[in-house]
Amino acid sequence: SQKIEQNSEALNIQEGKTATLTCNYTNYSPAYLQWYRQDPGRGPVFLLLIRENEKEKRKERLKVTFDTTLKQSLFHITASQPADSATYLCALARPMGGGGNKLTFGTGTQLKVEL
Amino acid sequence: EAGVTQSPTHLIKTRGQQATLRCSPISGHTSVYWYQQALGLGLQFLLWYDEGEERNRGNFPPRFSGRQFPNYSSELNVNALELEDSALYLCASSGDRPYEQYFGPGTRLTVT
Repeated sequence: SQKIEQNSEALNIQEGKTATLTCNYTNYSPAYLQWYRQDPGRGPVFLLLIRENEKEKRKERLKVTFDTTLKQSLFHITASQPADSATYLCALARPMGGGGNKLTFGTGTQLKVEL
Repeated sequence: EAGVTQSPTHLIKTRGQQATLRCSPISGHTSVYWYQQALGLGLQFLLWYDEGEERNRGNFPPRFSGRQFPNYSSELNVNALELEDSALYLCASSGDRPYEQYFGPGTRLTVT
């Protein structure tokens, strides 16, 4: 079965720096790889999606890269702010047939941006 | 546009009881997914409903079941509750972009 590894240790960085989070997976390459943000006790919030034939995707201060050879995705937050502090989840999407997509999640990396 | 809503926010039950959790998808979304997030574990796929039918289920026992109503809202039922069922249960919906799932705030189920 698909296994997803995210850095389980919390990542502490200074405000204004770039945060880089890693997601590694085994087995098959997914059709899509997604990143979500989750705050304590809340549901995940969809941030970015990247397809298997895309190398990089950007949205405002966020950038995602996808290397299917290395089976790795990197998630970058530039000019980080304390409000970016949260747990970031990597999820791999695989079509289930009938139009549905099963998401397999990593356990997430906790990011803390300090002043 | 209203997001995915779930009720109740918290639910406390004792072992052996049944729990019912509810979800209303984003307007226009026909697919509803249920996930379990136990402490220290990643989200685990439970069930997928689309157009009123159960389309797929994850590796969970049959005592986890549910349904989807004609208005696309959904209900998750957990029978014969066990202590390890304590978790955050998340509902997500998707529409014409099936690879994008939008999550609700979750229901925290505690089994004592």
